[in-house]
Amino acid sequence: DIQMTQSPSSLSASVGDRVTITCRASQSISSYLNWYQQKPGKAPKLLIYTASSLESGVPSRFSGSGSGTDFTLTISSLQPEDFATYYCQQTYNTPPTFGQGTKVEIK
Amino acid sequence: EVQLVESGGGLVKPGGSLRLSCAVSGFTFSNAWMSWVRQAPGKGLEWVGRIKSKTDGGTTDYAAPVRGRFTISRDDSKNTLYLQMNNLKTEDTAVYYCVTQSSTWYKWWGQGTLVTVSS
Repeated sequence: DIQMTQSPSSLSASVGDRVTITCRASQSISSYLNWYQQKPGKAPKLLIYTASSLESGVPSRFSGSGSGTDFTLTISSLQPEDFATYYCQQTYNTPPTFGQGTKVEIK
Repeated sequence: EVQLVESGGGLVKPGGSLRLSCAVSGFTFSNAWMSWVRQAPGKGLEWVGRIKSKTDGGTTDYAAPVRGRFTISRDDSKNTLYLQMNNLKTEDTAVYYCVTQSSTWYKWWGQGTLVTVSS
């Protein structure tokens, strides 16, 4: 199975900060990398697919980049509603696997 | 509006069985590949398994921890996805989400149903 490792596991940031979360795959996954946001008690929500494509309705302050083994999710200016846990997911092969999550907390 | 509504969760003893359902509306269910993803309390997301559309063969794949114990099926006439869980273990305790796969990403998620395996 392909292992996905996110860093950091948690971070504290202020409203307006630029936030970067990284995700590393244990082998090359081309661009088969998705990002999800999950708030407490809610289902995950798709933010970014195929590494850099913004899901419809998702604010443009979210962006994704990378290919191969190293990927990044960037929030350009953190908003109050962005405090949540973020997961990366590879769908290059079966089983699809998720990173362990990055919790973004208020500083 | 797309809706996925899971049901059937609850408390079950180790070794017991449970069947989850996911009723779908708002898109052409018969064309969709569907997955189950679970989340243990306070933990991350774990893929459970997937069923392809019948036009793509209707085949299933499962994660290693549940293979041989869980079975995914679908009834396209009822727009419903199922997860039959047998020989449940305490480590199967989780919220179970049904998810629609759009190409290579998981676009729509249900609200989840909690399964608790405890004596």
